[in-house]
Amino acid sequence: GENVEQHPSTLSVQEGDSAVIKCTYSDSASNYFPWYKQELGKGPQLIIDIRSNVGEKKDQRIAVTLNKTAKHFSLHITETQPEDSAVYFCAASIGGSGNTGKLIFGQGTTLQVKP
Amino acid sequence: EPEVTQTPSHQVTQMGQEVILRCVPISNHLYFYWYRQILGQKVEFLVSFYNNEISEKSEIFDDQFSVERPDGSNFTLKIRSTKLEDSAMYFCASSETSTIPAPLHFGNGTRLTVT
Repeated sequence: GENVEQHPSTLSVQEGDSAVIKCTYSDSASNYFPWYKQELGKGPQLIIDIRSNVGEKKDQRIAVTLNKTAKHFSLHITETQPEDSAVYFCAASIGGSGNTGKLIFGQGTTLQVKP
Repeated sequence: EPEVTQTPSHQVTQMGQEVILRCVPISNHLYFYWYRQILGQKVEFLVSFYNNEISEKSEIFDDQFSVERPDGSNFTLKIRSTKLEDSAMYFCASSETSTIPAPLHFGNGTRLTVT
């Protein structure tokens, strides 16, 4: 069945360093790839997304890259700050679902940014 | 910024009891969803809802589950006879239709504990 694998499960970096989280997906028809940040006690918050017709997207310190051939996509956070500490989830849409909003999520990465 | 609101934040119920989880989606959104997250596991799709009917549902969403939009603002998830394994965080989400697929906006969730 459809699956999204996310690595690493935990990531610890020094403030100011970069952080990279990687995901692979199985459904070749997936065409939408959002990234969510989840802070303690809150719901997932969309931080950036990318569609299959784009290879890279950047928003200030956050960037996402997509390799459709290899079926993997990555989140890059530069100049990390303590407030970036959270759980990050990648997700992929299920092909053929149109706008039914069915996303398959990765397992999550707990990012810790040390001051 | 408009947000999805969920009530209650925490619900404790006994096995076999019915529970109703409530959500108020973002006002101009037309697509509504329920996801759940069992502690330590992935966020999982339950159901999507559009134009007063279910668009898609997962295998988790069996006959014990139902959704309803009883008025112009609320969106509810009912579990008729709760089981221990229904204990999880339940997230409501909504999206607009200006793009397909459209970004999902999540609420802060309801923690359901079945004893």
